[in-house]
Amino acid sequence: EADIYQTPRYLVIGTGKKITLECSQTMGHDKMYWYQQDPGMELHLIHYSYGVNSTEKGDLSSESTVSRIRTEHFPLTLESARPSHTSQYLCASSASEGSNSPLHFGNGTRLTVT
Amino acid sequence: RKEVEQDPGPFNVPEGATVAFNCTYSNSASQSFFWYRQDCRKEPKLLMSVYSSGNEDGRFTAQLNRASQYISLLIRDSKLSDSATYLCVVRGTGFQKLVFGTGTRLLVSP
Repeated sequence: EADIYQTPRYLVIGTGKKITLECSQTMGHDKMYWYQQDPGMELHLIHYSYGVNSTEKGDLSSESTVSRIRTEHFPLTLESARPSHTSQYLCASSASEGSNSPLHFGNGTRLTVT
Repeated sequence: RKEVEQDPGPFNVPEGATVAFNCTYSNSASQSFFWYRQDCRKEPKLLMSVYSSGNEDGRFTAQLNRASQYISLLIRDSKLSDSATYLCVVRGTGFQKLVFGTGTRLLVSP
């Protein structure tokens, strides 16, 4: 059923490492998003993209960066991971046409920085 | 005041009960509305869009009240599998950014 994929599913990494969380979708959606969610807490938008070569910061300040070189991919990078980055990262996409287009989420990457 | 507000619950109901959640939004120019379901430690999944005239999908009914700026979700004949957190989502203006509520937790017991 899933047309949007995130890898890795789980990642445990040491402080100071550079990491890239992958997100790919096969629906041809122009809009893509990254959300951060701590357990039992609300989702926070950290990055979004209108389309290729477009990236914007979301509502929650994040030390991560994103790129959108291809429509299908929207990777998120942390140059130097810290324990405060421990969280779940959810990627999503939506179609451009119509304001009633819902978000489709990937199954998330659960990041733990030790 | 948050853009989208929900009662966090939990709502504890027995199987077979009818339960309703409300969600209020502050931006009167909001264009579209959704209910998502999120299971523990999983990603949110679209439950249903909410249309101005109200809409139904099986045991689930969604309503929109633009005058009072709230949407509602009614679940009839609750099942154990309905236990989850229900997220209210509103699309605003401009980039048409989606705003998520904090969610209402539902626990259905035997």
